[in-house]
Amino acid sequence: DQQVKQNSPSLSVQEGRISILNCDYTNSMFDYFLWYKKYPAEGPTFLISISSIKDKNEDGRFTVFLNKSAKHLSLHIVPSQPGDSAVYFCATEGTAGGFKTIFGAGTRLFVKA
Amino acid sequence: NAGVTQTPKFRILKIGQSMTLQCTQDMNHNYMYWYRQDPGMGLKLIYYSVGAGITDKGEVPNGYNVSRSTTEDFPLRLELAAPSQTSVYFCASSYTPGLAGGREQYFGPGTRLTVT
Repeated sequence: DQQVKQNSPSLSVQEGRISILNCDYTNSMFDYFLWYKKYPAEGPTFLISISSIKDKNEDGRFTVFLNKSAKHLSLHIVPSQPGDSAVYFCATEGTAGGFKTIFGAGTRLFVKA
Repeated sequence: NAGVTQTPKFRILKIGQSMTLQCTQDMNHNYMYWYRQDPGMGLKLIYYSVGAGITDKGEVPNGYNVSRSTTEDFPLRLELAAPSQTSVYFCASSYTPGLAGGREQYFGPGTRLTVT
């Protein structure tokens, strides 16, 4: 039973355009959401996070949106760059998981030059 | 700061052998974690620790053991290796969740383990 779902295994975007990566979760008790980025042969690195008391958080080219009623969050990258090509993991944590982070399966983003 | 370091980077084990994956962090984080990542899957939590001397099971603990004698080190022990344990293993650390500061985890580069 997947509590965090990233339904798109891969996404291809042209350089300079917007990349939108989506994530759905099942448990309304999750109160903190994170995105991690992973390059091949490296560990994941933290990208951006959002608390459930907010619906948007921005950091440079990266914006995360949270829709609590739909149990959905998305990561927007504008403009996309070839260096953004990586696997992006959505992760959630909160009292439902006892502060144990639950990861989605990841979406592989390809940004074409 | 070196962050989170893991050794070895790669290892091939025969069925039934044992080994220890090493993990060290120099950020004085209380929380440490071990994950495994199978192809096409997200990270699954194996064990975690909230401080020296305290460990607890995650989602997939069977076949593994951990110890946490110091804040810095969190080794993962595989006893009687099986092909199902072929995976990439990541160690991570974080500040105490819920307190001031970010809740993000800092990951090591991973250990790629093959059991044949």
